[in-house]
Amino acid sequence: AQSVTQPDIHITVSEGASLELRCNYSYGATPYLFWYVQSPGQGLQLLLKYFSGDTLVQGIKGFEAEFKRSQSSFNLRKPSVHWSDAAEYFCAVGELGGGADGLTFGKGTHLIIQP
Amino acid sequence: DTAVSQTPKYLVTQMGNDKSIKCEQNLGHDTMYWYKQDSKKFLKIMFSYNNKELIINETVPNRFSPKSPDKAHLNLHINSLELGDSAVYFCASSHRLGGREPQYFGPGTRLLVL
Repeated sequence: AQSVTQPDIHITVSEGASLELRCNYSYGATPYLFWYVQSPGQGLQLLLKYFSGDTLVQGIKGFEAEFKRSQSSFNLRKPSVHWSDAAEYFCAVGELGGGADGLTFGKGTHLIIQP
Repeated sequence: DTAVSQTPKYLVTQMGNDKSIKCEQNLGHDTMYWYKQDSKKFLKIMFSYNNKELIINETVPNRFSPKSPDKAHLNLHINSLELGDSAVYFCASSHRLGGREPQYFGPGTRLLVL
């Protein structure tokens, strides 16, 4: 079965600094990978997705993610964070072949922005 | 326009009661989902509905039942509420069923069982 690991429960970054959130997946075939953001009291918003092709994926709000098959990783990056980026970030993997399992989510990384 | 909407946003109720949460999507999607987010923010899928057919039912108590009057709606009915049901419930939809389909989430319903 597929699984997603986000090793960092909390990350604190200074405003204006760069950010990298880690995500590792376990899946036998080529995964479909997603990053979502959840602001406090809100639902989840899709930041970006990877299916195939270019391993560097651009998303909304200045985020990007890089798929590295050799490391089974799909880390999220942003060159310069803003205070409004403080939120919970979830990495998710989808099952190939139209499986009925929906998305499998990691446990999330809570991002704190220091002024 | 709100793509995926849920009502109510907050729900406070007593143990043993029966309650419903409504979800509507105006994206024209074929598939809808219900997720439960626990106090540690862990998201777990509960149900998927594709073209009005229940696709999956994870290890969810049968007190929970999804009902879909049409493709745009997937309501969640909960009978005999228990303390452990307290969580945030998210509705989501996708164009089709399948792992490559991004899902779009509603704002969530915060359920507190006293």
